[in-house]
Amino acid sequence: GDSVTQMEGPVTLSEEAFLTINCTYTATGYPSLFWYVQYPGEGLQLLLKATKADDKGSNKGFEATYRKETTSFHLEKGSVQVSDSAVYFCALSAAGGSYIPTFGRGTSLIVHP
Amino acid sequence: EADIYQTPRYLVIGTGKKITLECSQTMGHDKMYWYQQDPGMELHLIHYSYGVNSTEKGDLSSESTVSRIRTEHFPLTLESARPSHTSQYLCASSAPSLPRGEQYFGPGTRLTVT
Repeated sequence: GDSVTQMEGPVTLSEEAFLTINCTYTATGYPSLFWYVQYPGEGLQLLLKATKADDKGSNKGFEATYRKETTSFHLEKGSVQVSDSAVYFCALSAAGGSYIPTFGRGTSLIVHP
Repeated sequence: EADIYQTPRYLVIGTGKKITLECSQTMGHDKMYWYQQDPGMELHLIHYSYGVNSTEKGDLSSESTVSRIRTEHFPLTLESARPSHTSQYLCASSAPSLPRGEQYFGPGTRLTVT
C-alpha cells in the first residue's frame, strides 16, 4: 500500500539556519504530494503541494520539489524563523485513488532565537 | 480562508460520561473526516463521510460514532468516555473541486477523560 516516511524529530535549529525535512514515499502511479503544517494549539493547514513530477511547490519561503526518480518530496527553507516552529506533515494522495491522504508521522521543528 | 469549526476546544470530563464533539464547515464541502492525534503527533483516521447519510469507519478502531444529517455538520459522539479516549480530535473537510488529498482542518478538540 501507499506510505510516507519522514525524518524523525525534533529538528532543532537556530534562527536563520537552513532547513531540510526529508520525505520519501511509496505509491503506485503518480500521486499528488503535500506538506501540511500544524502550529501549536491549531489544526493542520496546507503549506504547499505538487501534483506531477518535477513540479516545485512553494509558500512562505518553503519549497519542495516532486522527484519521481528518488520518490522524494523534501521540504526546504533557506532561513528559518522562530515563528516556523511547528510540526510538519508530508502526505500523498494516489492518482485516481481515495480522497483520503496518507500522512507521514510528522516532524517537529523547534527554532531558537 | 478555511471555515471549519470545532467545539469545544478543550474538554475535561469524567469516566462514563456521554460527550459529543461538534464540527461544522461553511464551505459546502461534501466530504468530512475525523482524525485522532496521539501525543507523538501521528494522525489516525477514525471516521469519514462522503455525503449526507453516508458514514464509514476509518483505519483506527474507535468506540465513537458519527452522523451526517446535514452537509455542514459532522458530530462525533462517545457514549461512555474512558481515560483511553484522552486525545486530540481533528475534524477536516474536502471537496471534489480540490486535488485529491487536499483537506481543510478545524482547530481541534483536546479531550481529557479523568
